[in-house]
Amino acid sequence: GAVVSQHPSRVICKSGTSVKIECRSLDFQATTMFWYRQFPKQSLMLMATSNEGSKATYEQGVEKDKFLINHASLTLSTLTVTSAHPEDSSFYICSAVGTGTKEQYFGPGTRLTVT
Amino acid sequence: GDSVTQMEGPVTLSEEAFLTINCTYTATGYPSLFWYVQYPGEGLQLLLKATKADDKGSNKGFEATYRKETTSFHLEKGSVQVSDSAVYFCALREGNNRLAFGKGNQVVVIP
Repeated sequence: GAVVSQHPSRVICKSGTSVKIECRSLDFQATTMFWYRQFPKQSLMLMATSNEGSKATYEQGVEKDKFLINHASLTLSTLTVTSAHPEDSSFYICSAVGTGTKEQYFGPGTRLTVT
Repeated sequence: GDSVTQMEGPVTLSEEAFLTINCTYTATGYPSLFWYVQYPGEGLQLLLKATKADDKGSNKGFEATYRKETTSFHLEKGSVQVSDSAVYFCALREGNNRLAFGKGNQVVVIP
């Protein structure tokens, strides 16, 4: 149980285009999902907290207009990187918190490369 | 705010050696503490956790004890295997369900 999936697992896009990453809780409902960014050989940096049916809360320094987050249902949150640039290349990881629990379950991550 | 500090640098050791990775934390309250493992190219997997002082989390031969007096949650394993090669993250959970991570330690086990 408590499986979180991400799609795609890898994506390469051209500079200036937008990319959408999906995060799904497969066997539980998640009222809260978190989006992280991980640079090579570094720790996870929390980007934003996504609550179902409401606007995401972004961490300081994260551009909300560049990293659009939508949490439209209890099993799906999406992160859209708009007008991507090479510096946006990174490993993006989501996590989901089930209703009635505090445990975060992590997705396998999405490797984004912007050329 | 709350934070987690892990020992600097990668850890390289031989198979069957004893592993220790240090983790200390700073928190205003009484956080839950976690160790996560990340294998190459993958997301994080929960390895073990402890929710209150003196609790010992254990899984797959790994152990860590929540030490309130030293604000520590060091990870140990008595005999590592090559398959334990991964990056290990110590983390604490703040009151709003957010996780604060340490920088992680790369562990390389040599046959």
